[in-house]
Amino acid sequence: ILNVEQSPQSLHVQEGDSTNFTCSFPSSNFYALHWYRWETAKSPEALFVMTLNGDEKKKGRISATLNTKEGYSYLYIKGSQPEDSATYLCAFSSNAGKSTFGDGTTLTVKP
Amino acid sequence: NAGVTQTPKFRVLKTGQSMTLLCAQDMNHEYMYWYRQDPGMGLRLIHYSVGEGTTAKGEVPDGYNVSRLKKQNFLLGLESAAPSQTSVYFCASSYFGHHNEQFFGPGTRLTVL
Repeated sequence: ILNVEQSPQSLHVQEGDSTNFTCSFPSSNFYALHWYRWETAKSPEALFVMTLNGDEKKKGRISATLNTKEGYSYLYIKGSQPEDSATYLCAFSSNAGKSTFGDGTTLTVKP
Repeated sequence: NAGVTQTPKFRVLKTGQSMTLLCAQDMNHEYMYWYRQDPGMGLRLIHYSVGEGTTAKGEVPDGYNVSRLKKQNFLLGLESAAPSQTSVYFCASSYFGHHNEQFFGPGTRLTVL
């Protein structure tokens, strides 16, 4: 079983705050790292997939970075809005063909 | 396109009963997955399939069986349900390979009494 850890487990911020969370994964046998957004009562939806060390992805106010050598990825949200409230999952894919999800970071943005 | 659909949406079973959850996708994806999601935990992989006629065990396969007779369908079976199998079950599919993004169904909430 691959160890994928996300921190913090939960986060409460005020509207307009910027925030970030971390996904840690094994630094060996890396193939890809995915970020998903999971709103309450809905299904997870893909945000980013990153495959190269140093990759940076951006979608609107959300961005992500990847460090495969040290085994971590950051997800940043700039100027959080209430509609950003969700659980953010990362998933590590190894080159052995296995994928493992972290337990997620639950973000609550207060108006 | 409907994407990934799951039936049923909700189900209550008594201990020892059996049932089958159906997952269907219309995106011509090769890979399909079954996950369970429990409170405070992420998604744990039960079984997956890399193509029609193939299945493989995931992280928590005990107590479940699967079949992929048609490319578009992936069935999850519980032969003798136990309270520990109370969970929300998500099906997902991806075009080809674990490195591709997965598209998820809406989930099935199963309660075993």
